[in-house]
Amino acid sequence: GENVEQHPSTLSVQEGDSAVIKCTYSDSASNYFPWYKQELGKRPQLIIDIRSNVGEKKDQRIAVTLNKTAKHFSLHITETQPEDSAVYFCAAREAGTYKYIFGTGTRLKVLA
Amino acid sequence: DTAVSQTPKYLVTQMGNDKSIKCEQNLGHDTMYWYKQDSKKFLKIMFSYNNKELIINETVPNRFSPKSPDKAHLNLHINSLELGDSAVYFCASSQGGKRADTQYFGPGTRLTVL
Repeated sequence: GENVEQHPSTLSVQEGDSAVIKCTYSDSASNYFPWYKQELGKRPQLIIDIRSNVGEKKDQRIAVTLNKTAKHFSLHITETQPEDSAVYFCAAREAGTYKYIFGTGTRLKVLA
Repeated sequence: DTAVSQTPKYLVTQMGNDKSIKCEQNLGHDTMYWYKQDSKKFLKIMFSYNNKELIINETVPNRFSPKSPDKAHLNLHINSLELGDSAVYFCASSQGGKRADTQYFGPGTRLTVL
């Protein structure tokens, strides 16, 4: 089955700097890769996603890149703000199933 | 107009008790899920139903039993609660089908077993 690894587990950046979170997956047939943001005490919320037929997707300050050959995908947040502080999860959906495997999460702290 | 709702939000109970958590979605989605998030924040899938049919059943103690009376509802019943069951339980839903799509999560139920 699919396995997703996420790094780093914690990340501190100064306000205005960029943050990058990386995930690798094991099943080359996985075809959908969402990223979720979870604020303290709240539910995970989708912030951006990418399908396997696309290499990059951008939404304002957030972008995701996918390298299918290397089986890794990354979240990029530019011009970070204190409200970006949260736990971020990557996930991969196993091909042909309804099963989403989540990474272990990255706690991002944006220092003002 | 809450998309995915769960009740209760908090549940504090004694070891050995039986409890239920309810989930409802008004998005018209076909697929619903239960996830467990432990104290280290790991999100692990437990069960999934598609149109009332169980399609994912991970390695979960059989004290946990999901039930889907219709495709808008997915409940989770837990028998003989143990200390290790303490966690936040999230319900989620997605449109389902062959095309991978967005999951929408409920607000979570924080279960504390004393």
